[in-house]
Amino acid sequence: AQSVTQPDIHITVSEGASLELRCNYSYGATPYLFWYVQSPGQGLQLLLKYFSGDTLVQGIKGFEAEFKRSQSSFNLRKPSVHWSDAAEYFCAVSPFGNEKLTFGTGTRLTIIP
Amino acid sequence: DSGVTQTPKHLITATGQRVTLRCSPRSGDLSVYWYQQSLDQGLQFLIQYYNGEERAKGNILERFSAQQFPDLHSELNLSSLELGDSALYFCASSGGGRGFSYEQYFGPGTRLTVT
Repeated sequence: AQSVTQPDIHITVSEGASLELRCNYSYGATPYLFWYVQSPGQGLQLLLKYFSGDTLVQGIKGFEAEFKRSQSSFNLRKPSVHWSDAAEYFCAVSPFGNEKLTFGTGTRLTIIP
Repeated sequence: DSGVTQTPKHLITATGQRVTLRCSPRSGDLSVYWYQQSLDQGLQFLIQYYNGEERAKGNILERFSAQQFPDLHSELNLSSLELGDSALYFCASSGGGRGFSYEQYFGPGTRLTVT
């Protein structure tokens, strides 16, 4: 069965600093990979996705993620965070398109001035 | 706005009761998914429907059931409610019927509180 690990439960960064959120997955083949963001009291918004091709994918709000097959990782990055980026971030995998998502436990991001 | 709508936004009910959560997918999306988000279990997949047919089942209790109607909206029925069923229930949809649109778009969720 597939699984997703987000090793960091909570991360605090200063506004303007760079950010990297880690995600490792366990699956026999290359799954479909996603990052979602959830602001307090809100639903899940898709930041970016990886299906195949270029291993560096760009998403919305200035986020990017890099797929590394050798490390089974799909880390999310942003060069300079804004106070509005404070939220919970979830990495998710799906074995094929249009199938259920398996989510990590999430990383809560706090931004300090 | 994802284009996925869910009603109601909040629901407070007592143990033993039955409730129905409703979801309308994005226009044209054929797949509907239900997820439960709770503090102890995180985000868990419950069930998927594709064009009216059940396609996949996850950790869904026997007290819970769902269906997808011909107009593609879906309902999640929760019965004999227990305190532990209090959670945020999300619906998501994806374009299973067209192109390579594999990503799931989530609704705002229904917060269920069982007292």
